[in-house]
Amino acid sequence: AQSVTQLDSHVSVSEGTPVLLRCNYSSSYSPSLFWYVQHPNKGLQLLLKYTSAATLVKGINGFEAEFKKSETSFHLTKPSAHMSDAAEYFCVGEDTGRRALTFGSGTRLQVQP
Amino acid sequence: SQTIHQWPATLVQPVGSPLSLECTVEGTSNPNLYWYRQAAGRGLQLLFYSVGIGQISSEVPQNLSASRPQDRQFILSSKKLLLSDSGFYLCAWSRSSGRGNTIYFGEGSWLTVV
Repeated sequence: AQSVTQLDSHVSVSEGTPVLLRCNYSSSYSPSLFWYVQHPNKGLQLLLKYTSAATLVKGINGFEAEFKKSETSFHLTKPSAHMSDAAEYFCVGEDTGRRALTFGSGTRLQVQP
Repeated sequence: SQTIHQWPATLVQPVGSPLSLECTVEGTSNPNLYWYRQAAGRGLQLLFYSVGIGQISSEVPQNLSASRPQDRQFILSSKKLLLSDSGFYLCAWSRSSGRGNTIYFGEGSWLTVV
């Protein structure tokens, strides 16, 4: 079964500095992986997804993630943080056996002015 | 285009009362449907998913139930709410064929059990 681990529950950065949100996965299959963002009291929005194509995936709002099979990682990055990026971010894996998604525990990103 | 609606957006219910959260999807057919719960300060937990009318898979034992009376309708219910049922409930859908399908979420329903 698929599982994902988000290594940081909170990340704080200054506006204009790079963002790194870490995610490791475990799976006996070639996984499909996603990053979602949730702003307060809102539903979740897809940032990007990896489905066995290019290992570097570009998403919305300047985010990107790199699938590294050797490290079983799928870290989310952004070169320059904006105040509007403050939100909760979820790394998600597809469990093909259950046809459902497995969510990481989330990383809360704070952006300081 | 496809849309997903869930209601009510907020709900305050006494312990022991029944619950009904409803979700509908428009613009697609035969979707996979999901109910997730997000407790305060925690990630999302899959409660139920459905691959077709009347087909419900339960992920965790609890006093909640789900039903899919129509292709694009998914209902989360309880006969008697517990305090621990409080949380943010999210309905979601995805296409049923292939893999790596994006899952699309509704805006969520805040349930407070008092």
